[in-house]
Amino acid sequence: DTEVTQTPKHLVMGMTNKKSLKCEQHMGHRAMYWYKQKAKKPPELMFVYSYEKLSINESVPSRFSPECPNSSLLNLHLHALQPEDSALYLCASSQDHDSSYNEQFFGPGTRLTVL
Amino acid sequence: AQSVAQPEDQVNVAEGNPLTVKCTYSVSGNPYLFWYVQYPNRGLQFLLKYITGDNLVKGSYGFEAEFNKSQTSFHLKKPSALVSDSALYFCAVRASSLNQAGTALIFGKGTTLSVSS
Repeated sequence: DTEVTQTPKHLVMGMTNKKSLKCEQHMGHRAMYWYKQKAKKPPELMFVYSYEKLSINESVPSRFSPECPNSSLLNLHLHALQPEDSALYLCASSQDHDSSYNEQFFGPGTRLTVL
Repeated sequence: AQSVAQPEDQVNVAEGNPLTVKCTYSVSGNPYLFWYVQYPNRGLQFLLKYITGDNLVKGSYGFEAEFNKSQTSFHLKKPSALVSDSALYFCAVRASSLNQAGTALIFGKGTTLSVSS
């Protein structure tokens, strides 16, 4: 299985809602990533988990809260988001994070709209 | 600091013609270079990478890229374009030096490839 899956595909939420994005991979990868992508722009790194521990937090607002329950799963908990947080949220994984030559495998993304 | 430049926002080619999508990079030490493609409303798909060795790297869907150290470039090429190649292409770089290991993958701004029939 060489796939990264993400659910849901689409999510519409109000600014007071709490929701979660889910990501799963079964490639035995030990690094997992969350990216935010605006239309026709490159992905912006949000968080990196390496061996189930948060390795990088790119100064992301606290209304985004990542969680890595195990080596195959990655969640992104959302609370009190702003309309400008509307974007495509991409999950990715790689064999590990410290080996710079490993390519990342991306999921199809969750299209988030904040009303 | 690492950086990647994709000087063209859009590249237009006719089907059957060769295509080139340009990428230049800046990194301390030796680079690891990647190309990804993104189709509308989809995630990024890995195409190919350069780590070391042969400067010409072959990847998925008939794409290849040539690493040029003196020009700090890693242009993506395909001998004969298909309409289905129309997509957004991202070049990315990471440093290979030990003290920069664990740093983020840096993406270029992306180039939209449009192949006309």
